[in-house]
Amino acid sequence: DAGVIQSPRHEVTEMGQEVTLRCKPISGHNSLFWYRQTMMRGLELLIYFNNNVPIDDSGMPEDRFSAKMPNASFSTLKIQPSEPRDSAVYFCASSMPPNTEAFFGQGTRLTVV
Amino acid sequence: KQEVTQIPAALSVPEGENLVLNCSFTDSAIYNLQWFRQDPGKGLTSLLLIQSSQREQTSGRLNASLDKSSGRSTLYIAASQPGDSATYLCAVNGDSNYQLIWGAGTKLIIKP
Repeated sequence: DAGVIQSPRHEVTEMGQEVTLRCKPISGHNSLFWYRQTMMRGLELLIYFNNNVPIDDSGMPEDRFSAKMPNASFSTLKIQPSEPRDSAVYFCASSMPPNTEAFFGQGTRLTVV
Repeated sequence: KQEVTQIPAALSVPEGENLVLNCSFTDSAIYNLQWFRQDPGKGLTSLLLIQSSQREQTSGRLNASLDKSSGRSTLYIAASQPGDSATYLCAVNGDSNYQLIWGAGTKLIIKP
């Protein structure tokens, strides 16, 4: 397996634009996590899906953030409208089941100017 | 509330030395503990996962131990190499059964 695949690797956008981050989990994994990493706050869990269903979205900062998992092999994290304070590295991780070894993608470095 | 602490925050040692990285957690009711490595600008690579019922796990030159009662885990790196330079993070799987609680990491530099 190629591991968790995220795209794009880098994204630079202007404030107010919509940003969509994509993730393909490891085949067979039924748990998917979106994290955000910043120097100030470290790694923060944004949302957790189990069997394509959002279980915990309490970490989503505000209504500008949304995430979907339409099937077991694809998830998106959308920010609309984006703001400079959203600049961070966003990671997707998968595992099976949720409390087993987590595997991370390479991350998407988002810069909002 | 579970809190995870990693000491030291940074460590620089000469190549070839054996070293120990520390991770402590406040609530001993954990499912497992995972050690990760993160290279600059890269993702997180899982190194070792220790279940709450286990005392240690080994992978190559890495050995991780777990003492739940004292809330401690150590990552032992034998015969360190410059390629081991990275930030090492520990994460505890706590009572939510999926929420990883993260330490701030130890930045390790191995000098050739």
